[in-house]
Amino acid sequence: NAGVTQTPKFRVLKTGQSMTLLCAQDMNHEYMYWYRQDPGMGLRLIHYSVGEGTTAKGEVPDGYNVSRLKKQNFLLGLESAAPSQTSVYFCASTEAGGSSGQFFGPGTRLTVL
Amino acid sequence: GENVEQHPSTLSVQEGDSAVIKCTYSDSASNYFPWYKQELGKRPQLIIDIRSNVGEKKDQRIAVTLNKTAKHFSLHITETQPEDSAVYFCAASKGNTDKLIFGTGTRLQVFP
Repeated sequence: NAGVTQTPKFRVLKTGQSMTLLCAQDMNHEYMYWYRQDPGMGLRLIHYSVGEGTTAKGEVPDGYNVSRLKKQNFLLGLESAAPSQTSVYFCASTEAGGSSGQFFGPGTRLTVL
Repeated sequence: GENVEQHPSTLSVQEGDSAVIKCTYSDSASNYFPWYKQELGKRPQLIIDIRSNVGEKKDQRIAVTLNKTAKHFSLHITETQPEDSAVYFCAASKGNTDKLIFGTGTRLQVFP
């Protein structure tokens, strides 16, 4: 099992550009999450999904959109990137009603110039 | 909403000593408290978790304690080793599948 994977690993954008981050998991997990990690601020939840076709807002959803068209994939979109979105983005997943906690992907380092 | 405070932000110990990291949470409905370890440039990894029906949980050199009344929970690492050096995050949620609210992290350095 690959676990949780993220694409791409690194990306540099110019202000105003758009991009999509892909998260994939092969553990048949129901729940998936997108976090951003900034120095001194820990991990903050952007959006999450409790199942295929459903999404919900987290703590810091502004400027981001998500989609969960397939159970194994959770996409995070930036329609018009801003320098404030420079961060490391982590995806995570967990099973419904399980006791295993959240498994994290390797992260995507995004820089917006 | 839920708020999780974590202290200290940095902690330096000598190899073999114990390390304690403390967190407090605000939402009394929280009932799941995981701890994650993050090495430099790597993903957070779950090292131990505790649910509100348990006061203490231990796994080899790592233990977590929970005081529901005071809304405190702590991570205890005994006999620290250089490979324990990392950033540790506490978190809280209303269930292990519910959204996690993280503390701001503790950078632990273990000196040989």
